[in-house]
Amino acid sequence: SYELTQPPSVSVSPGQTASIPCSGDKLGDKFACWYQQKPGQSPLLVIYQDNTRPSGIPERFSGSNSGNTATLTISGTQALDEADYYCQAWDSSTGGVVFGGGTKLTVL
Amino acid sequence: QVQLVQSGAEVKKPGASVKVSCKASGYTFTTYDIYWVRQATGQGLEWMGWMNPNSGDTRHAQKFQGRLTMARNTSISTAYMEMTSLRSEDTATFYCARARPGAAAGRFGLDVWGQGTTVLVSS
Repeated sequence: SYELTQPPSVSVSPGQTASIPCSGDKLGDKFACWYQQKPGQSPLLVIYQDNTRPSGIPERFSGSNSGNTATLTISGTQALDEADYYCQAWDSSTGGVVFGGGTKLTVL
Repeated sequence: QVQLVQSGAEVKKPGASVKVSCKASGYTFTTYDIYWVRQATGQGLEWMGWMNPNSGDTRHAQKFQGRLTMARNTSISTAYMEMTSLRSEDTATFYCARARPGAAAGRFGLDVWGQGTTVLVSS
């Protein structure tokens, strides 16, 4: 089955740019999505189709996907962006989706 | 507004079964697949399976094969997930979410999630 790998944690200072990578074999040939999950809450879709924001998601969230790596970028990171972030792609071998292990973003 | 509302928390003994419901509103139930995702405490998201409410077709992740049943009642726009032979390692929060059918889920993602149902498996 297909696997997605994320770093366990990323730290960023307020106002700076945070980049969260997600790697998988030829991930750039697939579409990547990203979710934000805050403690005690359900996941929230923040990026789909590699780089598209759903309605209501701030413009500071952006995405890219090329080669073996998809990247979620948060520009001008705010304290309220502190959360766990998960990447997701389609796994044709299982006929379902696969999630990365998640990255805890700390804003300090 | 579009929402998925799940049934309440459950406490089960090892070996028992649990059935979680997921009621959809604000959209046509049969036009989106319903996904089930498990999250153990402090752990990541794990895809369990999906069901197409229109056809009733389902797909399970291999590790849940034989223990997971997904069903729906289209007359009340409700999906169900039943897991059998529960063990302590199944203690988790279970989420339902909607996605466009088939591989489109990989492109457009799971765009609406339920609030989660916590299942505690303990003797």
